[in-house]
Amino acid sequence: GENVEQHPSTLSVQEGDSAVIKCTYSDSASNYFPWYKQELGKRPQLIIDIRSNVGEKKDQRIAVTLNKTAKHFSLHITETQPEDSAVYFCAASKGSGGGADGLTFGKGTHLIIQP
Amino acid sequence: NAGVTQTPKFRILKIGQSMTLQCTQDMNHNYMYWYRQDPGMGLKLIYYSVGAGITDKGEVPNGYNVSRSTTEDFPLRLELAAPSQTSVYFCASSYLENYNSPLHFGNGTRLTVT
Repeated sequence: GENVEQHPSTLSVQEGDSAVIKCTYSDSASNYFPWYKQELGKRPQLIIDIRSNVGEKKDQRIAVTLNKTAKHFSLHITETQPEDSAVYFCAASKGSGGGADGLTFGKGTHLIIQP
Repeated sequence: NAGVTQTPKFRILKIGQSMTLQCTQDMNHNYMYWYRQDPGMGLKLIYYSVGAGITDKGEVPNGYNVSRSTTEDFPLRLELAAPSQTSVYFCASSYLENYNSPLHFGNGTRLTVT
């Protein structure tokens, strides 16, 4: 089955700086890579996703890049703000949405924005 | 639309007891999923369903059962609760044929087995 590794487990950055979270996946058949943000005690919320026919996608301060050859994808957050503090999860699947047989999640990155 | 609704929000069980976690969605989604989230960990798939009458095992199905008698409902059953099942359980749904349909999560059920 699919295996998703996520690094780092904790990331502390100064407000206004950029943050980068990296993930690798093992199954070359995976073609959908979403990123979720989870605040304490809340449900995960989709913030951005990318499909395997695209190398990069941006949405305001958030961007995701995908390298299919190396089987890795990354989340980039620029001009970080206090409200960006949360746990971020990457995931991989075949198909969009929840995946044809579910999403495989990384273990998460706790992003801390220092004032 | 209410989205994905889970009940209860919290539950404490004794070892060996059984319970059903309820999940319902009103978005006419075909796919539904149950995940568990242990502290400091990502979400792991327990079971999923591609439509009414069809269910499949995920990564961690042992100790759980599911049914999908209707499109809307996807209950998760714990028959003999064990401390290892202490976790937060999330139900989710999506419409896979819609390329832009994201995964919708419920608010979760926090279960403690003592």
